[in-house]
Amino acid sequence: RKEVEQDPGPFNVPEGATVAFNCTYSNSASQSFFWYRQDCRKEPKLLMSVYSSGNEDGRFTAQLNRASQYISLLIRDSKLSDSATYLCVVNGVKAAGNKLTFGGGTRVLVKP
Amino acid sequence: DADVTQTPRNRITKTGKRIMLECSQTKGHDRMYWYRQDPGLGLQLIYYSFDVKDINKGEISDGYSVSRQAQAKFSLSLESAIPNQTALYFCATSDRLADTQYFGPGTRLTVL
Repeated sequence: RKEVEQDPGPFNVPEGATVAFNCTYSNSASQSFFWYRQDCRKEPKLLMSVYSSGNEDGRFTAQLNRASQYISLLIRDSKLSDSATYLCVVNGVKAAGNKLTFGGGTRVLVKP
Repeated sequence: DADVTQTPRNRITKTGKRIMLECSQTKGHDRMYWYRQDPGLGLQLIYYSFDVKDINKGEISDGYSVSRQAQAKFSLSLESAIPNQTALYFCATSDRLADTQYFGPGTRLTVL
């Protein structure tokens, strides 16, 4: 089983709609969780960190469910510019340093 | 100017050739990383370095070596390139106090 698993998509989303997708992780000792955004053939960039209480940044909402070992990302009022691949990223045990484990990404296509 | 730079951006080489990919950063971070990304897959960690005197193998270090020449420079070498090393290579940096990693623009390597 992969350490971090994501539905590869693509999720085809009408402009203005809401889209949500999950990511599951296998290491129950994982400490930190993130969503990165990657545009085609570009470098990943941090979208947002995911906190235990859930957090929101504008149209983006991230949730963490430790009991079921998954995190989620919800995008409201989708824009054409939200089209990208969203990478779920998990940091393991702190003592091992800032080693991140990446999921394969979920591709989102927002269409007019 | 970009905080994390990689050279070359694109490289085509032949099987058996030695290749060096270079990464430089102006963020003042202690920690640097090399990843490879294959189509549809997540980023896989090749090597990482927490300071100039520290080098660690990642998940897929076979066939690769690294050198941390200075705090700001971390190079990746393929001693004898093979076709299955064709991939997109990313360098990343992070501060020792934070989880967030900052990526360079990537090097697209093709081994014929």
